Amino acid sequence: EIVLTQSPATLSLSPGERATLSCGASQSVSSSYLAWYQQKPGLAPRLLIYDASSRATGIPDRFSGSGSGTDFTLTISRLEPEDFAVYYCQQSWTFGQGTKVEIK
Amino acid sequence: EVQLVESGGGLVQPGGSLRLSCAASGFTVSSNYMSWVRQAPGKGLEWVSVIYSGGSTYYADSVKGRFTISRDNSKNTLYLQMNSLRAEDTAVYYCASLTVTTTSNWFDPWGQGTLVTVSS
Repeated sequence: EIVLTQSPATLSLSPGERATLSCGASQSVSSSYLAWYQQKPGLAPRLLIYDASSRATGIPDRFSGSGSGTDFTLTISRLEPEDFAVYYCQQSWTFGQGTKVEIK
Repeated sequence: EVQLVESGGGLVQPGGSLRLSCAASGFTVSSNYMSWVRQAPGKGLEWVSVIYSGGSTYYADSVKGRFTISRDNSKNTLYLQMNSLRAEDTAVYYCASLTVTTTSNWFDPWGQGTLVTVSS
């Protein structure tokens, strides 16, 4: 069973700053096998990135995904107020434990 | 516009049963892979079950033998029958469409979720 480890658990940043979130997989399934989701309180998760680096429909280009194999990164180039949320990575049937991006 | 709307959640005693529904619009349930994902209060996401367009079903070990996923093509609706419920099944349950390719998979779109509370 794949285990996904996200780091850090919490990221405290200010609007306008760059956010870098990591997701490590316990084993490699395929080079691009990863998705990222954003979840705000009380709402369902929203797909941001699939195939490690492809943005979902309607997702702003400040969100980008990279990585392959077992190490993946979600980057938010300049944080907007609406970007403060929890972010999850997913591979196969497994989700990471989440990274909370909070306002510093 | 694709929309998934869950219903059927509520308070149930340990050992009880509940059936969740997920009504789809703008989208055909039987032509897609459909899944249930849950989130315990204050916790992360946990995949629960999937039904493929061909009818095959799969379950997380934590619910195998207790939960059953199904669909009604005439109603364009996905279901999750939950039996022998335990306190640890308390969660918001989301239905989501699952896209599977040769190299990846992802969940999109998602419903708004329905809360199941198992407590005496």
